[in-house]
Amino acid sequence: GQQVMQIPQYQHVQEGEDFTTYCNSSTTLSNIQWYKQRPGGHPVFLIQLVKSGEVKKQKRLTFQFGEAKKNSSLHITATQTTDVGTYFCASGAGGSYIPTFGRGTSLIVHP
Amino acid sequence: SQTIHQWPATLVQPVGSPLSLECTVEGTSNPNLYWYRQAAGRGLQLLFYSVGIGQISSEVPQNLSASRPQDRQFILSSKKLLLSDSGFYLCAWRGKGLAGGSGELFFGEGSRLTVL
Repeated sequence: GQQVMQIPQYQHVQEGEDFTTYCNSSTTLSNIQWYKQRPGGHPVFLIQLVKSGEVKKQKRLTFQFGEAKKNSSLHITATQTTDVGTYFCASGAGGSYIPTFGRGTSLIVHP
Repeated sequence: SQTIHQWPATLVQPVGSPLSLECTVEGTSNPNLYWYRQAAGRGLQLLFYSVGIGQISSEVPQNLSASRPQDRQFILSSKKLLLSDSGFYLCAWRGKGLAGGSGELFFGEGSRLTVL
C-alpha cells in the first residue's frame, strides 16, 4: 500500500471553531479516501478524491487533494458536537486494492 | 443492498485461549475482504486481505490466521491468544471492477477483544 502520514493526532476545539486535518505522502497517491469513526463505532466512508487539485464539499466539510497528489486535507467549518470522532485518510492502488490508513486525527469539540 | 455482519461484538478471553471472529457479507458477490485491528486510540492496521475463496494474504506476521471458506465469509482465528492481541477488530469489504481500480471500504460493526 501507499504510506500516508496524518497530522495532528488530536485536536481540541471550541464548538464553532474550524478544524483541519492533513494527510501527507512522500509518493504520488493514486487516490485518497476519507473516513469518520465515531467513538465506539466503525469507520464510515466520507469521500474519495482522485484528480490533482480536486476540491469537494459536503455541507461544512471541504476536502482537497494536492496538485502533486501527495497531500490532502479535510476542513470542517464551524464545528459542532456531532463532528466528534476520528478522521482517517486512506490510499491504495492496484486491482486488489490494499488500502493503507493514516493514524487518524481525533477531533474533540468542547461545547 | 449490501450488508456486513461481524460477531461476536465483544469478548473477553484468557491468555492462551483460542479465538474465532466471523464476518459475513450479504448482497454482493466475489468481494475483496479485509481484517483490520485497531489498538486503543490508534490507527487501523491491516492484518489480512482476500481477493477470493481460499486466497489469503497476510500483511503482518503474528499468531493470527485468516480463512475464507466461502465467497462471503471471512474468519479470523488464533490458536493461543496473547495479551497484545487485545484490540478492536474490524472486517471490511470492497467490490471489484470499479472504475479507477479503487472503491470505498464498508466496515462491519467491529469485535472488541480483551485478552486477560
